[in-house]
Amino acid sequence: AQKVTQAQTEISVVEKEDVTLDCVYETRDTTYYLFWYKQPPSGELVFLIRRNSFDEQNEISGRYSWNFQKSTSSFNFTITASQVVDSAVYFCALSEPIGGGSYIPTFGRGTSLIVHP
Amino acid sequence: DAGVTQSPTHLIKTRGQQVTLRCSPKSGHDTVSWYQQALGQGPQFIFQYYEEEERQRGNFPDRFSGHQFPNYSSELNVNALLLGDSALYLCASRYGGEGYGYTFGSGTRLTVV
Repeated sequence: AQKVTQAQTEISVVEKEDVTLDCVYETRDTTYYLFWYKQPPSGELVFLIRRNSFDEQNEISGRYSWNFQKSTSSFNFTITASQVVDSAVYFCALSEPIGGGSYIPTFGRGTSLIVHP
Repeated sequence: DAGVTQSPTHLIKTRGQQVTLRCSPKSGHDTVSWYQQALGQGPQFIFQYYEEEERQRGNFPDRFSGHQFPNYSSELNVNALLLGDSALYLCASRYGGEGYGYTFGSGTRLTVV
């Protein structure tokens, strides 16, 4: 079973539409971190947000918002009023402890978002 | 302020050869991680270096090894290359603990023929 599941392989929307990217994770740990990264065609991953397992507050940053629900092990990402520049592959990642204060990250397979003008 | 710099950008190697990829972390960052990203997949964690030591390692064979230098830059070495090693290799750096996000480089595209 995958630790991080991004069920949507590709999403296509028209500019100004709202879009939600889903992320479901699996862990037995009570302490962990969740991340979202954006990978534009240039290749480098851009850090968007991180959440620790004890902070379930949703967050809004401009057109971006994140909904963290431990009850459903989900950490979904919504882009409001999408723009062409939002076109990229988005990755959700889970970082779990392996002991000694060390963590191992696991990325999902990513969701390719295409925003048409 | 330069971010994470990786070299070379592209590389073609023959099966069985050895390769060394290089990474300069973002200024002020002291922790470097390496990832392998196959086409259409998410990055897979190879290992992480801090204070010139390998601190965590993902599920990769011993053919993958690394090094971190006193100036925090890092190298990834892959021996006895296989066709399946063809991928984008990403280097990422950060300063601080696990709760901080990484800054990624643009990667080295390795093709093994």
